[in-house]
Parts: sequence; C-alpha cells; structure tokens
Amino acid sequence: QQQVRQSPQSLTVWEGETAILNCSYEDSTFNYFPWYQQFPGEGPALLISISSVSDKKEDGRFTIFFNKREKKLSLHITDSQPGDSATYFCAADTNAYKVIFGKGTHLHVLP
Amino acid sequence: ETAVFQTPNYHVTQVGNEVSFNCKQTLGHDTMYWYKQDSKKLLKIMFSYNNKQLIVNETVPRRFSPQSSDKAHLNLRIKSVEPEDSAVYLCASKANTEVFFGKGTRLTVV
Repeated sequence: QQQVRQSPQSLTVWEGETAILNCSYEDSTFNYFPWYQQFPGEGPALLISISSVSDKKEDGRFTIFFNKREKKLSLHITDSQPGDSATYFCAADTNAYKVIFGKGTHLHVLP
Repeated sequence: ETAVFQTPNYHVTQVGNEVSFNCKQTLGHDTMYWYKQDSKKLLKIMFSYNNKQLIVNETVPRRFSPQSSDKAHLNLRIKSVEPEDSAVYLCASKANTEVFFGKGTRLTVV
C-alpha cells in the first residue's frame, strides 16, 4: 500500500528556533515530493517541493533535505515565527493522477 | 488569491439526507480531485478526474458520487449521509506538479 509517513504528529518550538519535520515513504516509484502548509479554515497550499533527482531544496527559511536511499525527507524551518504555526503535510506525487498525503505535523511556534 | 471555489462553506444536515457540494476552478487545469479531511486533519483522496473523466476512484462508500459537466467543474453528491461523513471536503485542481485546493466545505451530520 502506498504510504507517506510523517513525524512528529505535533511539534512546539520557540520563536527563532529551527523546526524539523520528518517524512518517509515506501514506494520507490515516487519521484516528486511537495510540502503543503495549511492554516485553520483554509485549504492546504504548496510551500516547497523537491524532485527525487535532488538532495536539497531551499527557499528562504524553508529547506528540504532528501535521502533517496533511505526514502526519507525532512523539512527544516529556520528562525521559526509565530506565523509559521500551521499543519504541514508531506506528499508524494505518483504521476497517476493521485497525490498521496501524510497525516501532517502540527507546528506551534511560541513567541 | 483563490482560484478553486467551493460552495457551500458549511452544511449541517440530518442523517439520511442527501447533500451536494459544488466546485469550480478557474485555472484551466485538466485534473481535479475531491479529498476528505477528517477532524484529525488526515487528507484522503476520494476521486480524481482528468478532463471530466473519472480516473481514480478510491474505496469510498457508494453513496458518494462525483459529477463533472466540464473540466472546470467537479461536484460531489452524497446520498443518505451518515455520521461518519462529517468532515471537510476539499476540492482541488492540478497543473503539472502543483495541487491547488479550495477552502473546503465543512459537513456536519447530526
């Protein structure tokens, strides 16, 4: 069964700290991994993504690290801000008209 | 700026009733989805359409039926709702690699 796993389920950090969100998958045919950010009352929105040919993708304070051999990814949020408090979903694109989402990590950034 | 529009925002109904949700995207995408998001934020794909043709139909109860009149519209009908149908139903469209979500329709079954 195709699965995307995320940990931790919930994470609390202080403002200015680095938050690290983890993701792993099982299907080696997955080749594209977007991360989505969701605020209450809104739909998820694309935050940053990486393809399986890269091992790192950076966009401002957000960086994805990708280990293809271990089928693991992590999202690092540096200098975390209270406005970053949201639910973060790791996903995998199957190229089969189906995007599989993990269960999400609820991030709380305390001022 | 929202480009995937869902109506209604909220709907409260009784067990056994029929409900319909509407979705329209103005992005010109060929692929559209319905996802169900439960109270724990878990996102589960229900249906996938490409150019108004059903492509993916996950294991959902038969009381759920998607309808697409053209590639910009994808509606969802639920016949005889049950308490476990209470959730947020998210419509989305996709271009290449990015999925664009609407704000969702929150269904409460009492």
